[in-house]
Amino acid sequence: GQNIDQPTEMTATEGAIVQINCTYQTSGFNGLFWYQQHAGEAPTFLSYNVLDGLEEKGRFSSFLSRSKGYSYLLLKELQMKDSASYLCAVRRGGSYIPTFGRGTSLIVHP
Amino acid sequence: GAVVSQHPSRVICKSGTSVKIECRSLDFQATTMFWYRQFPKQSLMLMATSNEGSKATYEQGVEKDKFLINHASLTLSTLTVTSAHPEDSSFYICSALGDFGMNTEAFFGQGTRLTVV
Repeated sequence: GQNIDQPTEMTATEGAIVQINCTYQTSGFNGLFWYQQHAGEAPTFLSYNVLDGLEEKGRFSSFLSRSKGYSYLLLKELQMKDSASYLCAVRRGGSYIPTFGRGTSLIVHP
Repeated sequence: GAVVSQHPSRVICKSGTSVKIECRSLDFQATTMFWYRQFPKQSLMLMATSNEGSKATYEQGVEKDKFLINHASLTLSTLTVTSAHPEDSSFYICSALGDFGMNTEAFFGQGTRLTVV
């Protein structure tokens, strides 16, 4: 099976930086996704990591360490609209189906 | 990017009735579609995997007779919640798998908020 763990809730200040961690245990790892989901909406794709290292995309960056079963999503220059749930999802080898973590609810306040 | 359209976005139905939710890939062919359910403040839970022209594969604990899935074409899959009850009220999301050359990726529909009263 797969175990995916991420914090339930985080708060941060507008303009600041926040790091959302995700740890996982899985057999045959084949990639890790980060999605953003606003309340009542479907998730939207943010990033995909399959190799170790940092991938940067504008204000958002995602890091992966396969040996540690660890990833983080880094959000810079936080904006109020970044208040959402951030889902970490892990894909196993031979499957296109990612398994989702419970999500981290991020609250950005002024 | 690829577009997946899910309809309706919201539906309210009476207990005991059936509701059909459609998931369409608008600009690509999807041989595989996934149906998820999400309760408030919970993760996305995979219900079933739908393959065009064959029977869906249901996850453990999901009643196939209650959640009927039909994937009749490469662009359309439907989920019918039969004899709905208040505990079926949830957010249902589909995802369609597309093959884009070097990449195979899944894209989400907008989701359907089902409320059974």
